[in-house]
Amino acid sequence: QSVLTQPPSASGTPGQRVTISCSGSSSNIGSNYVYWYQQLPETAPKLLIYRNNQRPSGVPDRFSGSKSGTSASLAISGLRSEDEADYYCAAWDDSLSGWVFGGGTKLTVL
Amino acid sequence: QVQLVQSGAEVKKPGASVKVSCKASGYTFTSYGISWVRQAPGQGLEWMGWISAYNGNTNYAQKLQGRVTMTTDTSTSTAYMELRSLRSDDTAVYYCAREMGATLGWDVWGKGTTVTVSS
Repeated sequence: QSVLTQPPSASGTPGQRVTISCSGSSSNIGSNYVYWYQQLPETAPKLLIYRNNQRPSGVPDRFSGSKSGTSASLAISGLRSEDEADYYCAAWDDSLSGWVFGGGTKLTVL
Repeated sequence: QVQLVQSGAEVKKPGASVKVSCKASGYTFTSYGISWVRQAPGQGLEWMGWISAYNGNTNYAQKLQGRVTMTTDTSTSTAYMELRSLRSDDTAVYYCAREMGATLGWDVWGKGTTVTVSS
């Protein structure tokens, strides 16, 4: 059971916009930044979004993050086949004094 | 280029220990921290702990306290993660990741080390 809650799956067609939610509590998302990682099949995770809505250099602006209260979301616009991957949200948890993850969302591009 | 190169796959028996290495190159090792994250087969990501390559300070996940030790060797720019008293549910891919700063995320990852615990 993950501390952060994500839907197990999401899907969309090429060109579409999809969003993936991440729900937490006051001790994690409610008081700390949210991060998003993309994990392509059989590869290491890759940083997609940091500090709620910041993109590292090289990440396309099709990817955007937002946070409100104890929830966050990742939006992917102009969906492409290469976006098919697992997506994880993460945040620092003050009660646990450690990083916590969501269970991951498997994105399928139909 | 900036990279983290991890040691090879390990097979261990229950109760044994494993030590995974993570060699950094392409950046100033002591300017960043290293976190360790593991992923059991078909499962999600789990943070194990963090070590400062600057001063060796550590912060371990509560769940692993007492079984895990993270160290660094600044002379070789290498981070190590040792896990003791291995159980079958420790079977996972273990990743090291560079932490840019406390709020900047993990921007560089190793390719992962598969640790299999089996009798």
